[in-house]
Amino acid sequence: KAGVTQTPRYLIKTRGQQVTLSCSPISGHRSVSWYQQTPGQGLQFLFEYFSETQRNKGNFPGRFSGRQFSNSRSEMNVSTLELGDSALYLCASSSRGQTEAFFGQGTRLTVV
Amino acid sequence: GENVEQHPSTLSVQEGDSAVIKCTYSDSASNYFPWYKQELGKRPQLIIDIRSNVGEKKDQRIAVTLNKTAKHFSLHITETQPEDSAVYFCAATLGRGNTPLVFGKGTRLSVIA
Repeated sequence: KAGVTQTPRYLIKTRGQQVTLSCSPISGHRSVSWYQQTPGQGLQFLFEYFSETQRNKGNFPGRFSGRQFSNSRSEMNVSTLELGDSALYLCASSSRGQTEAFFGQGTRLTVV
Repeated sequence: GENVEQHPSTLSVQEGDSAVIKCTYSDSASNYFPWYKQELGKRPQLIIDIRSNVGEKKDQRIAVTLNKTAKHFSLHITETQPEDSAVYFCAATLGRGNTPLVFGKGTRLSVIA
């Protein structure tokens, strides 16, 4: 059974640009959550998608957005990049509430 | 929304000693509490979890306890080994029966041989 796959693994972008990250969940998993990981801040929740609908959203500005497709694959987009957006972005998939969330390897975004 | 506090942020123990990490949560509706281990350069992986209808759960050298009244839960690692060195994250569900998970800020555990 394939795990959660995130692409690309690494990205370098310039301030003001936008970026799109992709996450393919484990087959059969309909929930995909996105997290931003920075040193000292842990894993901060961005948003969660379930059956193509955003079900929950964290406290991030509107520059951060996402979507989910009918095959459960999800993308997140960050517009007008800032230096502070440099982080490891992790997605996690799960089959239903209260069960294990499986993480992808993450996308390391560097904004210069 | 849910807020999860985790302490300590760093912890150093001698090999063979025990390690304890504590977390508190704010939403009394939360009902699922997993712990994740993240080794350097790797993805977080579940090591143990507990549901709100259980007070304690053990898996070999790892145990988790939950106090619903006080809204706190703890991870206990006994007979620590160098390979236990990692960052540990506690988490709680955003409300009842609802993903996603809200995480604490992590504890960096160092086991000194």
